[in-house]
Amino acid sequence: EAQVTQNPRYLITVTGKKLTVTCSQNMNHEYMSWYRQDPGLGLRQIYYSMNVEVTDKGDVPEGYKVSRKEKRNFPLILESPSPNQTSLYFCASSFSRGETQYFGPGTRLLVL
Amino acid sequence: GIQVEQSPPDLILQEGANSTLRCNFSDSVNNLQWFHQNPWGQLINLFYIPSGTKQNGRLSATTVATERYSLLYISSSQTTDSGVYFCAGRAQGGSEKLVFGKGTKLTVNP
Repeated sequence: EAQVTQNPRYLITVTGKKLTVTCSQNMNHEYMSWYRQDPGLGLRQIYYSMNVEVTDKGDVPEGYKVSRKEKRNFPLILESPSPNQTSLYFCASSFSRGETQYFGPGTRLLVL
Repeated sequence: GIQVEQSPPDLILQEGANSTLRCNFSDSVNNLQWFHQNPWGQLINLFYIPSGTKQNGRLSATTVATERYSLLYISSSQTTDSGVYFCAGRAQGGSEKLVFGKGTKLTVNP
């Protein structure tokens, strides 16, 4: 089944404790991206990747890192999480940047 | 950057009613898409519609790129249509960012 998977789905952590949210797609998509969704602010892009080893900042990259060492995986790293990073995070992928985006199930993160 | 405005922000319907959701862009866009976020948070792509009209069952969408807007039509609405509908697009000129509107929250009552 074609899908985008994210793990974990739910995470409660404390300020400053490094965490990684994994994202994987099995559709051989070149383009992958991370979004955060907050009430009243909608979906905002954090980072995106055009292909392996090619990543760039979106609208709200501060406090986040990404890597794209393999085509199928695009992990989101929070090196020192803060409470303002409490949010619902989505990973998405598409064949190319202009094509239909497929979203993962989301990761709900609470930073205490 | 481009601004994406969706209307109405909230919509309540009785099952069986029809509705039209609108998405306006402040500038010309590429790769316009519509998404549905169900009450459990899952985001599903409904249409990739940079221009013209597409139909999928009870849903259809029309984009008039020259006038910078898109419409999503829902006919004979069902309770399972409830959720938030988002449109998104990229500014012309090679922008990599997909910009989302704030969504229309649809509630369909039985």
